[in-house]
Amino acid sequence: GAVVSQHPSWVICKSGTSVKIECRSLDFQATTMFWYRQFPKQSLMLMATSNEGSKATYEQGVEKDKFLINHASLTLSTLTVTSAHPEDSSFYICSARDRNILLEQYFGPGTRLTVT
Amino acid sequence: GNSVTQMEGPVTLSEEAFLTINCTYTATGYPSLFWYVQYPGEGLQLLLKATKADDKGSNKGFEATYRKETTSFHLEKGSVQVSDSAVYFCALSAQNSGGSNYKLTFGKGTLLTVNP
Repeated sequence: GAVVSQHPSWVICKSGTSVKIECRSLDFQATTMFWYRQFPKQSLMLMATSNEGSKATYEQGVEKDKFLINHASLTLSTLTVTSAHPEDSSFYICSARDRNILLEQYFGPGTRLTVT
Repeated sequence: GNSVTQMEGPVTLSEEAFLTINCTYTATGYPSLFWYVQYPGEGLQLLLKATKADDKGSNKGFEATYRKETTSFHLEKGSVQVSDSAVYFCALSAQNSGGSNYKLTFGKGTLLTVNP
């Protein structure tokens, strides 16, 4: 149980275009989902926290107009990188928290974004 | 604020060697502590956890004990295998100031390479 999927697993896009990444909880209801960014050989940086049906809460320094997050249902959150630039290239990881188990987060496999 | 400090890597061991990865934390309140493992190109997997002082988390031969007096949660394994090669992250989960969300705070990660 507690499986989180991400789609796509990798994506290459051209500079100036937008790309959407999906995060789904497959066998539980996730009232809260988290989006992280990981640079090579570095730790995870929390970008934002999204609660189902409400606006995401962004961490300091993260541009909310560039990284659009939508948590429209209890099993799906999306991250859209708008007007992507090469510096947005990174590994994006989502996690989801079961509404009944507040302390744990279940992580997706990650999405490798490359902007050319 | 909350923070996690873990030993810098990389760590290189021979198969069957003893492993210790140190982790100390700073937190307000009573955090839960976690070790996550990340294999190359993948997302994070929960390795073990402890939710209160003196708890010992264990899984796949790995162990860590929640030491409140030393604010530590060191990861140990008696005999490592080549398949244990991965990046290991120590993390804590604590309520944020608003009390409505539990956020994970990660250490920087330690790369472990086990040679046959």
